[in-house]
Amino acid sequence: DTEVTQTPKHLVMGMTNKKSLKCEQHMGHRAMYWYKQKAKKPPELMFVYSYEKLSINESVPSRFSPECPNSSLLNLHLHALQPEDSALYLCASSQRTSTDTQYFGPGTRLTVL
Amino acid sequence: QQQVKQSPQSLIVQKGGISIINCAYENTAFDYFPWYQQFPGKGPALLIAIRPDVSEKKEGRFTISFNKSAKQFSLHIMDSQPGDSATYFCAASRAESNFGNEKLTFGTGTRLTIIP
Repeated sequence: DTEVTQTPKHLVMGMTNKKSLKCEQHMGHRAMYWYKQKAKKPPELMFVYSYEKLSINESVPSRFSPECPNSSLLNLHLHALQPEDSALYLCASSQRTSTDTQYFGPGTRLTVL
Repeated sequence: QQQVKQSPQSLIVQKGGISIINCAYENTAFDYFPWYQQFPGKGPALLIAIRPDVSEKKEGRFTISFNKSAKQFSLHIMDSQPGDSATYFCAASRAESNFGNEKLTFGTGTRLTIIP
């Protein structure tokens, strides 16, 4: 099973809302990633968790807050977002490092009103 | 130095033809070069990947050619089919001695359309 699942598929939120995106994998991978992808652009790395510890934060605004409760789950907590944060949010996982194959989930399409 | 430049931005190829997408990098420390395929509304999926110890890797109709001295690599899709119509991203990464600091750098993407 090489599946990464993400919920919800679509999310519409106001600028004052608090919401969370969820990601799950059961491949035993120890590295998990959050990416943001705008239309017609490549994925942009936001965060990397290695062995459940945050190892990379690409200077992401604090209105995005990642959490890795265990080795299979990854959350992205959203608060006070801006309309320009509207994008496809992708979760990925890999066995250990970014030079291992990264498996991407289908993404959550986020719209901020 | 972390950039990966990809061309063309868009490509139209007749069914049965060869699709060629090119990428160039500057960081000589990169040692892993994957290609991802992305269909609309889906996440990227690994298509094929190469490491710099070989100059070519073939998997079915997909071939990566790698030129270490020129710091270039390319994806060739033989006998292109309408189902190959998607956006393709090249990428590069390097293994860091400090575990957890490596990351994947993506090219800008190529929108490939295969016409009947």
